Amino acid sequence: QKEVEQNSGPLSVPEGAIASLNCTYSDRVSQSFFWYRQYSGKSPELIMSIYSNGDKEDGRFTAQLNKASQYVSLLIRDSQPSDSATYLCAVNSNYQLIWGAGTKLIIKP
Amino acid sequence: DGGITQSPKYLFRKEGQNVTLSCEQNLNHDAMYWYRQDPGQGLRLIYYSQIVNDFQKGDIAEGYSVSREKKESFPLTVTSAQKNPTAFYLCASQHYPSGTLDYGYTFGSGTRLTVV
Repeated sequence: QKEVEQNSGPLSVPEGAIASLNCTYSDRVSQSFFWYRQYSGKSPELIMSIYSNGDKEDGRFTAQLNKASQYVSLLIRDSQPSDSATYLCAVNSNYQLIWGAGTKLIIKP
Repeated sequence: DGGITQSPKYLFRKEGQNVTLSCEQNLNHDAMYWYRQDPGQGLRLIYYSQIVNDFQKGDIAEGYSVSREKKESFPLTVTSAQKNPTAFYLCASQHYPSGTLDYGYTFGSGTRLTVV
């Protein structure tokens, strides 16, 4: 059974600080990795995708991938109260996405 | 505007009733998925379809049925055999791009089903 593991949280971060979200996966041949944000009562929305080892930056968001360690992370710089949400990690496996259970992030003003 | 539309947004089901949730996409995506999400929980796969007239069971298919007669449409029926159907139901679509690794899903806005 292919798995994606995330710390369920909640992760509490002061406003303006860096939030660090982590994800590990079991399928060694996975090549596509995604971070989705889900606000309470809403559907998930894609915020970052990463396919190569290293860092990928988009505004305040940075995705990091280490395939050797089977590890993906998402950094949110200058955290804002509007970043408070559940963040879902998803890993491509044979065309389908395998989902982590999500990490609840709370940004404290 | 291209997108994926779920309807209704809220649905109430009486005991012993079958109900059908609609999912339509105009993105020309190949695959479609149905997930169930309970409060504070992750996504659980109910059914998926990678091609018209074909679909596969997910992890929690019991008590649900689907059809994929058109590429654009993937309705989900919650049958009376599903004993605890109260949940948030999410439909997603996926394009199979050639030459890239972009296999991300696009989600609809969801249907919240409540048993009354």
